[in-house]
Amino acid sequence: KAGVTQTPRYLIKTRGQQVTLSCSPISGHRSVSWYQQTPGQGLQFLFEYFSETQRNKGNFPGRFSGRQFSNSRSEMNVSTLELGDSALYLCASSQTVEGYYGYTFGSGTRLTVV
Amino acid sequence: AQKVTQAQTEISVVEKEDVTLDCVYETRDTTYYLFWYKQPPSGELVFLIRRNSFDEQNEISGRYSWNFQKSTSSFNFTITASQVVDSAVYFCALSEQPQGAQKLVFGQGTRLTINP
Repeated sequence: KAGVTQTPRYLIKTRGQQVTLSCSPISGHRSVSWYQQTPGQGLQFLFEYFSETQRNKGNFPGRFSGRQFSNSRSEMNVSTLELGDSALYLCASSQTVEGYYGYTFGSGTRLTVV
Repeated sequence: AQKVTQAQTEISVVEKEDVTLDCVYETRDTTYYLFWYKQPPSGELVFLIRRNSFDEQNEISGRYSWNFQKSTSSFNFTITASQVVDSAVYFCALSEQPQGAQKLVFGQGTRLTINP
């Protein structure tokens, strides 16, 4: 069974640009959530989608957005990139809304903003 | 507000020693879930265990064991006879499941180094 796939693995962008990250959940998982990991702030929740609906959103500016498609794949977009957006972005999927079986994480996309 | 505290930023031990990683959490909910994840250098968070707030039984899985105590709001993780492969960053996390939506609140992590 394939795990959670995140693409690309590494990305370098320039300040002011925008970026789109992709996450393909485990087959059958309908819930996808995103996290940002930085050395200073640690792991922080960005947002969560279930059946194409955003059900919860973390405390991030509107430059961070996401969506989920009918096949449960999800994308997150960051517009007008800032240096502080450099981070490891992790996606997690779950079989159930409650995460009863745990959350499976992908290997992440490491974004560097220069 | 939910909060998870892992007071130990870094731990370094010699192989075969036992080591305990501490986790203290804060929540106002009566129903919540606690997790431990392992993050090796590759970056992926590896799921280790999930516990719900109604199940205070300790759990053992091979060399790993977990001690959940609601009275002290702690969910500690012990590795017995540590091995070099156990070296990683370990995260404790809490989920309150607001309206059924997933949101994990993570501790700052404990970097565990097992020296040969």
